Amino acid sequence: QSALTQPRSVSGSPGQSVAISCTGTSSDVGGYNYVSWYQQYPGKAPKLIIYDVTKRPSEVPDRFSGSKSGNTASLTISGLQPEDEADYYCCSYAGSYTYWIFGGGTKLTVL
Amino acid sequence: QLQLQESGPGLVKPSETLSLTCTVSGGSITRSDSYWAWVRQPPGKGLEWIGAIYYTGSTFYNPSLKTRLTISVDTSKNQFSLKLNSVTAADTAVYFCARQNSFIPPADWGQGTLVTVPS
Repeated sequence: QSALTQPRSVSGSPGQSVAISCTGTSSDVGGYNYVSWYQQYPGKAPKLIIYDVTKRPSEVPDRFSGSKSGNTASLTISGLQPEDEADYYCCSYAGSYTYWIFGGGTKLTVL
Repeated sequence: QLQLQESGPGLVKPSETLSLTCTVSGGSITRSDSYWAWVRQPPGKGLEWIGAIYYTGSTFYNPSLKTRLTISVDTSKNQFSLKLNSVTAADTAVYFCARQNSFIPPADWGQGTLVTVPS
């Protein structure tokens, strides 16, 4: 099964909002409400910031939000801050044979 | 606070077996809500879910790696392990061990360990 499709890069200025898309198929993103998002800094382990499409772990600021429409999920970061500059990965459950697949990752640059 | 720590050789020869162990501290590997997973990331590339194991020994493998992969658990040592055989340079990656739930992918991660397979 192929990786989920994400834009290679996005950018925004401090205070702005950006959205990162994650496109899959009806066998993964579109078939289950089990899409998650990760934030990863260079040389560090990924950090889970969204799960079950829209839920946030308690320590994650509410500037981060998730949504899904059909086979495409999105991560929106509002009120961009310099520390949001990182790589972002989506991840979806893909059934009891494939289990979990990741997107290719998106580099967010805060201008 | 749950902590996971990977250990194992940083260099593996082509065609040999990559073996890593993850030691879990700050919590029991037998907790009923948890699966213990491996994820890898080739240098400069994206993440790939390798597989997971439940403390009872039930395993769940990425179909693209299934024929070369064994994940096992040792509850007496609070550890789980990865063996990937017949490795090639394409298996060069940072390997992370992690904890996940049934339908929530890894939420707790080790720091990762780089394993290099020379070409």
